[in-house]
Amino acid sequence: EVQLVESGGGLVQPGGSLRLSCAASGFTFSRYWMSWVRQAPGKGLEWVAKIKQDGSEKYYVDSVKGRFTISRDNAQNSLYLQVNSLRAEDTAVYYCARDLVGGEGAFDIWGQGTMVTVSS
Amino acid sequence: YELIQPPSVSVSPGQTASITCSGDKLGNKYTCWYQQKPGQSPVLVIYQDTKRPSGIPERFSGSNSGNTATLTISGTQAMDEADYYCQAWDSSHVVFGGGTKLTVL
Repeated sequence: EVQLVESGGGLVQPGGSLRLSCAASGFTFSRYWMSWVRQAPGKGLEWVAKIKQDGSEKYYVDSVKGRFTISRDNAQNSLYLQVNSLRAEDTAVYYCARDLVGGEGAFDIWGQGTMVTVSS
Repeated sequence: YELIQPPSVSVSPGQTASITCSGDKLGNKYTCWYQQKPGQSPVLVIYQDTKRPSGIPERFSGSNSGNTATLTISGTQAMDEADYYCQAWDSSHVVFGGGTKLTVL
């Protein structure tokens, strides 16, 4: 079964850090661009970051540049998002998603999400 | 880059629902559409303007021209009630529309 499973979310104070993980199974992980997408409570979807198959290209939404870092380990079929200097507005469910069409979006597989709550 | 969707659309069961997504020269970009039901992860229903992923019913179709992309649901069913998001990419960045709540009355 093709699957993505996120973990690593939780409650963190403003300014704190977390490392989100996404475990992929059921497909050849190294063949796909991967992204993180978040959704604040009651709000819409927001793309956060994406990474090329070999990790050589990474892109971020402006609001997280310099604070978040996307990475991957193809040997472990895993995607990561290091989130630093967290702010209240980063509170959201964070989804990892597989990009069906080479970095353009078209996210055909999504995980169940991991909740990040930034609060004192 | 910004994608604009109507906040809500209503449709009667069995009728056709159309959800629009507007953006500057959007017709020159590929557009995707996602369905999201409460408490669930999004599901891709249309990609590259008109293509349906495996398992998506034929009643879902898409078009894209000029500044507007449209998701059309023919013969709308109660199970289609959900939030729908359009998505495109610009300058290597992925952009989502604000979402449209489809109500099947």
